[in-house]
Amino acid sequence: EAGVTQFPSHSVIEKGQTVTLRCDPISGHDNLYWYRRVMGKEIKFLLHFVKESKQDESGMPNNRFLAERTGGTYSTLKVQPAELEDSGVYFCASSQQRARLDTQYFGPGTRLTVL
Amino acid sequence: GDSVTQMEGPVTLSEEAFLTINCTYTATGYPSLFWYVQYPGEGLQLLLKATKADDKGSNKGFEATYRKETTSFHLEKGSVQVSDSAVYFCALSGRDDKIIFGKGTRLHILP
Repeated sequence: EAGVTQFPSHSVIEKGQTVTLRCDPISGHDNLYWYRRVMGKEIKFLLHFVKESKQDESGMPNNRFLAERTGGTYSTLKVQPAELEDSGVYFCASSQQRARLDTQYFGPGTRLTVL
Repeated sequence: GDSVTQMEGPVTLSEEAFLTINCTYTATGYPSLFWYVQYPGEGLQLLLKATKADDKGSNKGFEATYRKETTSFHLEKGSVQVSDSAVYFCALSGRDDKIIFGKGTRLHILP
């Protein structure tokens, strides 16, 4: 069974540009989560999808970030326009049931560098 | 709010040494507790978990016991190997499904 995949693995962009990150969860997993780790800080929750619906987006830092999960399969996270402080590693995770009942499986992450 | 505090790294040990990475948490209610590991160039992997007080999670020779009285979930391994070199994250999951992570502890094992 394929794990969670993320694309691209690395992205280097200039301040003010737009970047779109993609996450493909494990097949059949209704729950999809985005997290990010800014340099030297903790990995922080961004948002949680249940199928195509946003269950919790309390961790989204501001309105420059837009997450979608059309059709309840893969998800995209767009940053527009990117700022220097957006640099970090963005992780995606998926689970079949809610986190307390099931393991969240993480992807390898996308390392974003904003110059 | 909920939080996780783990010992700062890096931790450097010789092969076959005993490992302890301390982790304490603050949470309302009864969270589930986790240790995740990130090997070089790879994503986060669940190492072990415990869902209630006094549970012991174990995997690959690592163990951690959910201690409610001390709000701790320390990671231990009796004899580390070079292949255990990685970053280890203590984490909890509360009622709202978010995972809250500690800052991570980088472990270096010398041959």
